[in-house]
Amino acid sequence: DAMVIQNPRYQVTQFGKPVTLSCSQTLNHNVMYWYQQKSSQAPKLLFHYYDKDFNNEADTPDNFQSRRPNTSFCFLDIRSPGLGDAAMYLCATSHRTSGGGKETQYFGPGTRLLVL
Amino acid sequence: AQSVTQPDIHITVSEGASLELRCNYSYGATPYLFWYVQSPGQGLQLLLKYFSGDTLVQGIKGFEAEFKRSQSSFNLRKPSVHWSDAAEYFCAVGERAAGNKLTFGGGTRVLVKP
Repeated sequence: DAMVIQNPRYQVTQFGKPVTLSCSQTLNHNVMYWYQQKSSQAPKLLFHYYDKDFNNEADTPDNFQSRRPNTSFCFLDIRSPGLGDAAMYLCATSHRTSGGGKETQYFGPGTRLLVL
Repeated sequence: AQSVTQPDIHITVSEGASLELRCNYSYGATPYLFWYVQSPGQGLQLLLKYFSGDTLVQGIKGFEAEFKRSQSSFNLRKPSVHWSDAAEYFCAVGERAAGNKLTFGGGTRVLVKP
């Protein structure tokens, strides 16, 4: 089945130690998103890639970076995790046409990050 | 700026009873509307979506939603709830002018009593 895969499902890191979360997809979608979701809150968009074009949200801290080496993979790098970065990180994908229009985002299972 | 409101933070319903989750949005044009469900510790699963056309939309797991432009609403319904429907439900609006960025409501947590 076509799907969005996130590894690992749980990640423990230390305060200030860089960490990378990964997302892959078999949907061949051209847009990949990263969301942060804290407990009992709605997901918050951090940034997205449309093909190779990176689109950062205005309020995303510089501590969060992303890489998309190819269509299938996208990484979320947290350069110096703080205690406030402990959250669920969700990856999503969608297919965007050049004319714009109807898009549906499909989400992966998420990676829960714990910062010690 | 567009916004999405889910007035009910928690809803408790008995198994077999009907369920309705409210969603109101603020958006200047005809919106793209979505309902997602999230089980504990899991990602978001798409239940259904509305882009245009028939205002009553059927989704997975026996859910349906109705788009009412006059009320700026997109309420989710299920006639008979199963224990497995206990989860958090998010309504979202796709912002076409911003690359179809999703604006989410705050979510409604559904508890199912046996």
